[in-house]
Amino acid sequence: DSGVTQTPKHLITATGQRVTLRCSPRSGDLSVYWYQQSLDQGLQFLIHYYNGEERAKGNILERFSAQQFPDLHSELNLSSLELGDSALYFCASSGHRGNTEAFFGQGTRLTVV
Amino acid sequence: TQLLEQSPQFLSIQEGENLTVYCNSSSVFSSLQWYRQEPGEGPVLLVTVVTGGEVKKLKRLTFQFGDARKDSSLHITAAQPGDTGLYLCAGTLDGADGLTFGKGTHLIIQP
Repeated sequence: DSGVTQTPKHLITATGQRVTLRCSPRSGDLSVYWYQQSLDQGLQFLIHYYNGEERAKGNILERFSAQQFPDLHSELNLSSLELGDSALYFCASSGHRGNTEAFFGQGTRLTVV
Repeated sequence: TQLLEQSPQFLSIQEGENLTVYCNSSSVFSSLQWYRQEPGEGPVLLVTVVTGGEVKKLKRLTFQFGDARKDSSLHITAAQPGDTGLYLCAGTLDGADGLTFGKGTHLIIQP
């Protein structure tokens, strides 16, 4: 158990809809990273939040957004969903701003039909 | 273009054999990590290497970071069925945020 909790574990939704994925980092970790894993692209960095502030964006679509709350949990919002958004979405937490120790949650499997 | 190229993509060997998987790039990484991922689970960190030429051992696993910090290898001695999984290398580019992942090596150890 990494200590990182993601909910829900599975999500099935229709094209055009909006969903919210939730992540609770390890106790004390200030950094939350979101990643997307698909069969063809592998794991892709989406966005990084540190202590409530956005620190960096990776390959995140404009239809996607995230935020980190004062209790340090984070949410990833995916809107106007397309079939190609079907993937595993992981969050990872770290106690540092850097990436030397990242602990991943079990992921949310999103299926868009 | 994949910044981190892993090879082989698939590897199936018998229990007790040795194997090496590679992670190569033309870019310099400030640190490089190896993860193992099982189906339905998130990646689990195995090791972090930060110094060019660094070698780390974790029981039967030996990790090496290239002198130029552009490549890495993972060597497993006397592989066991429990070693089966997807092995991912991931690095932090100098001055960048977020991990850059390779596509992984799918390893199957047959009893």
